[in-house]
Amino acid sequence: QLQLQESGPGLVKPSETLSLTCSVSGGFISGANYYWGWIRQTPGKGLEWIGSIYYNGYSYYNPSLKSRVTISVDTSKNQFSLKLSSVTAVDTAVYYCATPGAAVGTRYFQYWGQGSLVTVSS
Amino acid sequence: QSALTQPASVSGSPGQSITISCTGTSSDIGTYNYVSWYQQHPDRAPNLIIYDVTNRPSGISTRFSGSKSGNTASLTISGLQAEDEADYYCLSYTGSTTHVVFGGGTKLTVL
Repeated sequence: QLQLQESGPGLVKPSETLSLTCSVSGGFISGANYYWGWIRQTPGKGLEWIGSIYYNGYSYYNPSLKSRVTISVDTSKNQFSLKLSSVTAVDTAVYYCATPGAAVGTRYFQYWGQGSLVTVSS
Repeated sequence: QSALTQPASVSGSPGQSITISCTGTSSDIGTYNYVSWYQQHPDRAPNLIIYDVTNRPSGISTRFSGSKSGNTASLTISGLQAEDEADYYCLSYTGSTTHVVFGGGTKLTVL
């Protein structure tokens, strides 16, 4: 059973870069023929897909965030990471890492982390 | 990339059936049979209950069912139980450019 766990600072200053890591257990990113993604949830806008990455580093992003997002993978640590630059208060959200756990692209997300609240404030 | 449209809230009494709609466009729900539904209880991560329009993951009650007609997908919950009170979100694949889009969410109240 795949388990995902987000980690990273809970407070980020405006204009700085938000950085989160998702640690995967119960399976190996490098051996998995599926995508690993980031999703956020804000009170005002609900759930929003941020982007996804394949074990070989191939990634794609939500066009509305693409200019500020980088998702990377570290197979040696069995982790993948999110960086969101130039944050403002509207980026305050609970950030989830998730995966379908199957070779289905990004059609759905079956396995989720517990979520990490990130507040953007000075 | 506009969010899929869901009713803000629905309600029903224990034992009844309710249906939550999720309306998209011909570019997402209307083209792809890749609609999924998620149940989210307060302060918990979303939980996948339906994928690929009609399929239930292992362990999900048969009281949950999904369907699609045209640009609208639907989630039906039969035999409502108090534990079904939660927020429900739909998600649709939208093609290789925008990939996926969520609905705005529906709060289900069990009266």
